[in-house]
Amino acid sequence: NAGVTQTPKFRVLKTGQSMTLLCAQDMNHEYMYWYRQDPGMGLRLIHYSVGEGTTAKGEVPDGYNVSRLKKQNFLLGLESAAPSQTSVYFCASRAGQGRGSIQYFGAGTRLSVL
Amino acid sequence: EDQVTQSPEALRLQEGESSSLNCSYTVSGLRGLFWYRQDPGKGPEFLFTLYSAGEEKEKERLKATLTKKESFLHITAPKPEDSATYLCAGGYNKLIFGAGTRLAVHP
Repeated sequence: NAGVTQTPKFRVLKTGQSMTLLCAQDMNHEYMYWYRQDPGMGLRLIHYSVGEGTTAKGEVPDGYNVSRLKKQNFLLGLESAAPSQTSVYFCASRAGQGRGSIQYFGAGTRLSVL
Repeated sequence: EDQVTQSPEALRLQEGESSSLNCSYTVSGLRGLFWYRQDPGKGPEFLFTLYSAGEEKEKERLKATLTKKESFLHITAPKPEDSATYLCAGGYNKLIFGAGTRLAVHP
């Protein structure tokens, strides 16, 4: 019963390096989200997807790109990492329309950019 | 501007000492108010969704209530295992999260 799986769990980058964070869900959910969480601040939405092949910007999209080539996967890319991108990144997925539809979260990826 | 504000930032309780956490919101097009629990080093775990003013939901020692501008998470006779950060969020397709309340329950 995996739910939402994020890889890697931890990563350290040097300024200017690139990396991709992978989110995989096995619940056949339509919606997927990427958030970042910083101390003293709430979860902030980076990008989201309402279905395979679609992406949209959230509250803090600058410096990040995403892709949703397969329904079960949502990738978050950092092309040129900056120290300001040091954070904990969470992925979430949601079934879709309807009152019972809630967001389920992964365990997070802790990223440090030096 | 859409906003969710939680108070207090941190709360320390003795085991058995009941209290309430507050979430005030101004979210346009709000179709649900969500409560999550987050343990250190883990992702948020869903607790409740409230959809209309006057609605209440309960789970063990927790009860969530909703008015037109606020939601409260009431904790009755808490235990140490209730220690966590409690997050409130409003919206629907996209959620606006508050910064959370860090709850510590001591024996």
